[in-house]
Amino acid sequence: GDSVTQMEGPVTLSEEAFLTINCTYTATGYPSLFWYVQYPGEGLQLLLKATKADDKGSNKGFEATYRKETTSFHLEKGSVQVSDSAVYFCALSEKSNYQLIWGAGTKLIIKP
Amino acid sequence: DGGITQSPKYLFRKEGQNVTLSCEQNLNHDAMYWYRQDPGQGLRLIYYSQIVNDFQKGDIAEGYSVSREKKESFPLTVTSAQKNPTAFYLCASSITGTGVYEQYFGPGTRLTVT
Repeated sequence: GDSVTQMEGPVTLSEEAFLTINCTYTATGYPSLFWYVQYPGEGLQLLLKATKADDKGSNKGFEATYRKETTSFHLEKGSVQVSDSAVYFCALSEKSNYQLIWGAGTKLIIKP
Repeated sequence: DGGITQSPKYLFRKEGQNVTLSCEQNLNHDAMYWYRQDPGQGLRLIYYSQIVNDFQKGDIAEGYSVSREKKESFPLTVTSAQKNPTAFYLCASSITGTGVYEQYFGPGTRLTVT
């Protein structure tokens, strides 16, 4: 079945560092891919998405490119801030199934 | 503003009592979902509903029940049969039928059972 694998956390970086959180997936079809962010004690917010190969999703300085050849959707940001500290979830949905398949989440800690 | 509301934000109950968590959405979404999140863990699907008066069990439905009498509402009851009910509960909704199914989440309800 479909699955999503994220790099284990926590990921700890200094402010202004470059961020990469890896996400790879297994899917039978051509899924849509998502990154969600969860701040402490809150619900999840959609951060960005991509619906077909080579699409780049972007929001709030974060980017991720849908790479079909490597089945990846890595999250990147050029210069992180303390306020980016949160848990990040990668997810996919197949066109034939409206449920989301979730990664385990990666906790990001940014130190000033 | 459109969105999902969950109430209350914090809920405390004694062991052996049933408790119902509220979830309401005004996004006109057909599908709604309940997830459970334990500290430092990911999301586990409890129940989901694609349409009014229809719902399906997710991965961890034992000890929970739901109803979907209105499109806007999807309440979750945590019964006394749930062995370890203390957790953070998240409700979500999405459209169906377009092929791109991002989910929108409420703020969550933190349930503590002692």
